This record gives sequence, structure tokens and C-alpha cells, in this order.
Amino acid sequence: GIQVEQSPPDLILQEGANSTLRCNFSDSVNNLQWFHQNPWGQLINLFYIPSGTKQNGRLSATTVATERYSLLYISSSQTTDSGVYFCAPTGAGSYQLTFGKGTKLSVIP
Amino acid sequence: EPEVTQTPSHQVTQMGQEVILRCVPISNHLYFYWYRQILGQKVEFLVSFYNNEISEKSEIFDDQFSVERPDGSNFTLKIRSTKLEDSAMYFCASTGRGSGNTIYFGEGSWLTVV
Repeated sequence: GIQVEQSPPDLILQEGANSTLRCNFSDSVNNLQWFHQNPWGQLINLFYIPSGTKQNGRLSATTVATERYSLLYISSSQTTDSGVYFCAPTGAGSYQLTFGKGTKLSVIP
Repeated sequence: EPEVTQTPSHQVTQMGQEVILRCVPISNHLYFYWYRQILGQKVEFLVSFYNNEISEKSEIFDDQFSVERPDGSNFTLKIRSTKLEDSAMYFCASTGRGSGNTIYFGEGSWLTVV
């Protein structure tokens, strides 16, 4: 199956700082989603982005499918951004999202 | 915004007991999924379900697991004889168009096997 690597595994930011999270995947994909898992364990959809660039407020994401990576940008980080960010692509012909190990983000005041 | 709902939010069960986790997917969705997350680990795929049958399953989804859509709204995961290692958060998810569309997750059911 598809392999997913996320980096960095841990990230500590001062409130107001910007960051870039990276997701590399091993095969072509027909779906890729970014999630934020909050401290209560809920998985919050951030982006559905199999290709191209999308923006939603302080967050944006870019997927370059031909080069097999996706990036999540967080600008002007806030303490409520803390949690684990997961990248999850779906390989061609498959129905399952394959999650990476995540990036654990801690935003400190 | 429509959402996937799961019950119970938390269940504690004795080892060897049967557990049923329930999910109500988004009403016009056609593809349903179960995932699990052991504490501190990544989210793992268990099974996908479409048109009243399993379309994909992982190695984790062995004979002790089963899924069912008993009526037009519910989607259930049954664990026949729970083991300690089944302790995890179980997420239900649904989507309207299979692998090419946004998959929406419920809030999860936390299962603790003692």
C-alpha cells in the first residue's frame, strides 16, 4: 500500500509564528486530506486537496501530485492550533485513507 | 453542516465481551468506513462498506470484527470477543462518492477493554 511520511514529527512554535508541515507519499493518489486532531481526539477536516492549492483563513495547503508531496501552511499561529496534524492520501483505485504518523504542534503563548 | 454521529462516546468492557459501536453517517452518503486509533499512534483503516457489502478491509479487520447496516441510517461495528489490544478510539466516516471526495469523520467512540 501507499507509504506516508510526515515531517517534522514535533514542532513547537511561539504564538504568531508561521510554519510549514510536509507530507510525502509513495504512489499516485486520487484523494488527499489534511486533518487536525484536537486535544479531545476529534479529527477535524482541514482540506480535501488531491492537487493544487487551497486557502482557508490562516491555513493553506498545496499538493504537487506529480512530485508526491503536500504542504500545509499555518500562518500567525494561535494556541488553539495546537494538536496533531495528519496527512491522509488515498491510493489510486482504493477507498481507504492512509494516515501518516502526524506532526504534533504545540503553540506556546 | 451535516455530521457523522457516533455512540457511545466512551465504553468500558470486560475482556471477552461483545461490543457494538454505532454510527449514523451523513444522510445522502453512500460509502462508509471504520478506522481506529490506539492511544498515541496513527489512525488505521479497518473497513470500507458500499452497497451493503464490504469493499475493502485491512489485516486488522479479522474474523472477530463485523460491520452491518441494519437499516437506512445506522452503520455498526461489532467486536465479538474483545481483547485488551482492542482498546482504542474507533472512528466512523462517510463520503458521498468513494475515494474521490471528502471523507467526513465522526467524533469517535473510545473503547477501553479491561
